[in-house]
Amino acid sequence: AQKITQTQPGMFVQEKEAVTLDCTYDTSDPSYGLFWYKQPSSGEMIFLIYQGSYDQQNATEGRYSLNFQKARKSANLVISASQLGDSAMYFCAMREVEMDSSYKLIFGSGTRLLVRP
Amino acid sequence: GAGVSQSPSNKVTEKGKDVELRCDPISGHTALYWYRQSLGQGLEFLIYFQGNSAPDKSGLPSDRFSAERTGGSVSTLTIQRTQQEDSAVYLCASSSQTSRVETQYFGPGTRLLVL
Repeated sequence: AQKITQTQPGMFVQEKEAVTLDCTYDTSDPSYGLFWYKQPSSGEMIFLIYQGSYDQQNATEGRYSLNFQKARKSANLVISASQLGDSAMYFCAMREVEMDSSYKLIFGSGTRLLVRP
Repeated sequence: GAGVSQSPSNKVTEKGKDVELRCDPISGHTALYWYRQSLGQGLEFLIYFQGNSAPDKSGLPSDRFSAERTGGSVSTLTIQRTQQEDSAVYLCASSSQTSRVETQYFGPGTRLLVL
């Protein structure tokens, strides 16, 4: 079974509007971390935001926020006030803390976001 | 400070040849990871180093793939007898692993094309 599912292969958003990128995950580990990375066309992976499974509040970093719904096992990324430079691939990833001592990241297949002027 | 660096940035090789990919992690980072990204896909874990040892090699796809890390720093991923299906972007990441909130920082990747 897929551990990280991103159901939107591609998304469009108008500049200055908000957009939500979906991510659901599957784990039996009680302790885990969820990450979002941005990959522009240049190829580098840029860390955006982190949410721990025990965190009480949703994570926020500037224009990025994570809508964490633990019972639904979802960790959607919300980008507010989209900018042209936000056009990129976005990957959701998970790390299982107690069941995996290597702390390796498990990635979803990504969502390609295109911001329209 | 300097981020993760990888070399070469691009590599074109012929089927059957061996290739070496290098990763220079962020100074002081004890954990180092190799991932592979095939065209249009997400990242796939290959191997994890803690210091110079590799406690998790579970993602290496075949015995043609090997990796080492020396001095707790630079790592080399070697692919022997390359095949066309090895064509991908190979990404290296490092982290300090000093707490549970550990962010992996990625290098720019090596784009490998096997003809």
